[in-house]
Amino acid sequence: ETGVTQTPRHLVMGMTNKKSLKCEQHLGHNAMYWYKQSAKKPLELMFVYSLEERVENNSVPSRFSPECPNSSHLFLHLHTLQPEDSALYLCASSQAYGDAPTDTQYFGPGTRLTVL
Amino acid sequence: AQKITQTQPGMFVQEKEAVTLDCTYDTSDPSYGLFWYKQPSSGEMIFLIYQGSYDQQNATEGRYSLNFQKARKSANLVISASQLGDSAMYFCAMREENSGGSNYKLTFGKGTLLTVNP
Repeated sequence: ETGVTQTPRHLVMGMTNKKSLKCEQHLGHNAMYWYKQSAKKPLELMFVYSLEERVENNSVPSRFSPECPNSSHLFLHLHTLQPEDSALYLCASSQAYGDAPTDTQYFGPGTRLTVL
Repeated sequence: AQKITQTQPGMFVQEKEAVTLDCTYDTSDPSYGLFWYKQPSSGEMIFLIYQGSYDQQNATEGRYSLNFQKARKSANLVISASQLGDSAMYFCAMREENSGGSNYKLTFGKGTLLTVNP
């Protein structure tokens, strides 16, 4: 595997379910990100981890819970979601968060989430 | 005010022709970076090209070039010799040194949907 991978690619869940999204980066990067992309809205940054420490949480509801066990893996745990949470969830990684404006983020293919 | 503005919701271009996708930005930071990403219908956000605020020359990557006009705060993407596979959403993004207390946060525009016609 190369680059950034995400599983599952598609997920349908009910509002009472608990599920997790997984992201893995094979680039040797130190920072990982979760973004939400809703229809007709710009990408929204949700969480940032740098060296496995959460450095940003952009007012995300507590029904979204991130976890970064090591610099290569990032999870997004989901519980009691709402239909408006249906979106494409993108994971990204970069060499070093907050280091320089040149720090390029590389994205995974995303998980398309539908909440019924 | 929007940080990144992409005024073209959709663009059409004939195969093998060049196309310019517009992007203007708003920042008071002297140090920032500008990025273009391509998002096909599959969803993956693919990095295309980067331009730094202090770079003297316009960035180029294969068929992609960035027309950087600092005084106008514009960073247009030029795709030469369009191919059918170029059909996708294109996003302009910016990283500023200070963005609402967040170091080097990446802010995206709303995107332009490019359709390449055979």
